[in-house]
Amino acid sequence: GQNIDQPTEMTATEGAIVQINCTYQTSGFNGLFWYQQHAGEAPTFLSYNVLDGLEEKGRFSSFLSRSKGYSYLLLKELQMKDSASYLCAVRGSGGKLIFGQGTELSVKP
Amino acid sequence: GAGVSQTPSNKVTEKGKYVELRCDPISGHTALYWYRQSLGQGPEFLIYFQGTGAADDSGLPNDRFFAVRPEGSVSTLKIQRTERGDSAVYLCASSLASGSSYEQYFGPGTRLTVT
Repeated sequence: GQNIDQPTEMTATEGAIVQINCTYQTSGFNGLFWYQQHAGEAPTFLSYNVLDGLEEKGRFSSFLSRSKGYSYLLLKELQMKDSASYLCAVRGSGGKLIFGQGTELSVKP
Repeated sequence: GAGVSQTPSNKVTEKGKYVELRCDPISGHTALYWYRQSLGQGPEFLIYFQGTGAADDSGLPNDRFFAVRPEGSVSTLKIQRTERGDSAVYLCASSLASGSSYEQYFGPGTRLTVT
């Protein structure tokens, strides 16, 4: 079966660091994606991991451990505009993405 | 350049009616994906095309749902005999190809409401 778990909601303070975890059990694995989605808008790409380790891109970093079926997205120096839903998605066979339910992040001043 | 576009942005229809949702992918993108997203949930895969052919339609919930991409560019998702449970945001995405490292670019979605 396919199962992707991430926390439903998180709250953090402006300027702080937050880590959003994602665990997955899927029948195929061809990489893990993180997308950001503001309310009423399309998801936008943040990161892609296919090998174990940390990928850093500006304020955002993503980590993958394939043996543990685990990933996290790390957001540093949080800004108010980072308030959004963060979607973890595993690419299965043939290119389709299997999404988790999303983590709603609220950044407070 | 232009991103993925979808029309209409909103569609309200009565239960039992037929609807068509259109997706214009990014020019040159050969892979096209349809997802639907209910409130508070992540997108759920429906179908994807590589070129003109449906490479994987395993996510279509039943035979009321059908999609075409006759010329390998624009795609139309068709829903017959709509039901209230079909209400959701229907998202289209495209990518250069269907290989694993290719990012999918999403359109703004069509919000379908079945009354």
